[in-house]
Amino acid sequence: DADVTQTPRNRITKTGKRIMLECSQTKGHDRMYWYRQDPGLGLRLIYYSFDVKDINKGEISDGYSVSRQAQAKFSLSLESAIPNQTALYFCATSDPGTSGSYTQYFGPGTRLTVL
Amino acid sequence: GDSVTQMEGPVTLSEEAFLTINCTYTATGYPSLFWYVQYPGEGLQLLLKATKADDKGSNKGFEATYRKETTSFHLEKGSVQVSDSAVYFCALPAITGGGNKLTFGTGTQLKVEL
Repeated sequence: DADVTQTPRNRITKTGKRIMLECSQTKGHDRMYWYRQDPGLGLRLIYYSFDVKDINKGEISDGYSVSRQAQAKFSLSLESAIPNQTALYFCATSDPGTSGSYTQYFGPGTRLTVL
Repeated sequence: GDSVTQMEGPVTLSEEAFLTINCTYTATGYPSLFWYVQYPGEGLQLLLKATKADDKGSNKGFEATYRKETTSFHLEKGSVQVSDSAVYFCALPAITGGGNKLTFGTGTQLKVEL
């Protein structure tokens, strides 16, 4: 079974709709992240969370919100979707450990299309 | 701020050809450096890493050497296979404001043909 799972894997929605993307992990990591991937732009960080009480904005948080329901769950919401939020969304986890290597572990991604 | 610059793709090679994907970085100090790979339809996964200057990371026949003099971390493989077709991302930690984030390059798509 995958350590980091994302649901749904694909979603098509309409402008103005509310959408929630969910991420679950079984790695026991405290730190979780949401990225979006656009062609030619690489990955950009939307939000990140150190633990259930610590949530931080990334470089492109406008139009998004998150909820950390438990150590293992981190959800991303688009309150009112717009077409330029069409992208591939990734959840990731990390655990610095004693070496502080900051390796991140990614889910398979959610492809979101906003019409 | 910290940043990563990768060569643009796509890079198209024949099987068994030599691969180099360039990566240079701008950062304060000497951070760890990473190469991630994204196979078609999948999420990113760590390919290799180096934690200090002059370290060489290696995995699956790929290598990259952390060179602080040239602020580079170029990815190399001596003989590519069709199964290496993927998008490759160079990355470094961006430790600002107490956050442990990764800054990614824009990715380089590799296509290997028979």
